[in-house]
Amino acid sequence: GAGVSQSPRYKVAKRGQDVALRCDPISGHVSLFWYQQALGQGPEFLTYFQNEAQLDKSGLPSDRFFAERPEGSVSTLKIQRTQQEDSAVYLCASSLYNSYEQYFGPGTRLTVT
Amino acid sequence: AQSVTQLDSQVPVFEEAPVELRCNYSSSVSVYLFWYVQYPNQGLQLLLKYLSGSTLVKGINGFEAEFNKSQTSFHLRKPSVHISDTAEYFCAIPQGGSEKLVFGKGTKLTVNP
Repeated sequence: GAGVSQSPRYKVAKRGQDVALRCDPISGHVSLFWYQQALGQGPEFLTYFQNEAQLDKSGLPSDRFFAERPEGSVSTLKIQRTQQEDSAVYLCASSLYNSYEQYFGPGTRLTVT
Repeated sequence: AQSVTQLDSQVPVFEEAPVELRCNYSSSVSVYLFWYVQYPNQGLQLLLKYLSGSTLVKGINGFEAEFNKSQTSFHLRKPSVHISDTAEYFCAIPQGGSEKLVFGKGTKLTVNP
């Protein structure tokens, strides 16, 4: 079946621009996670949704980062006024309710110039 | 807080040799542990997981791991590696009783002919 998809796969933004990254989870998956992976590092948690409710946003690095999942399916991670330190791969994962088995998308590589 | 430490950042091996990738964890609560693999320019794929039960866990692609509570370890092993196993491997643990994962820094496995 279809896995987690993310778009765009690559995004180049000039410093100060706003970007929006999209995640389509596996159909029926209640939980959705966003992670940030800097070059040469492991993924770091950003935020977590259960259906449309954002239950944890403790990992968002600043108030320039905003995530939403208005209908409990597709999610968008928005970064306002991008900075060079925002350059990273942004990974989305989804899972069934109360399951620890997360399925990851291919990621969006964001480069801020 | 729960955490994992991957002791080796890079592991080079020859094809058909055995390999062990090391992971140590720190947790004050019940332990769930995961190994993920990331091929170049791809998302993470679950290799195996320990939730409870047998301490020897078998995963995909011939990998296995052993949960050792006394040594707080969850090392990943494969008796004979292939060129196609070249990838980055991440150990992970859920954080704070939630489903969000904390990852190690990763071990880059390079299998040489």
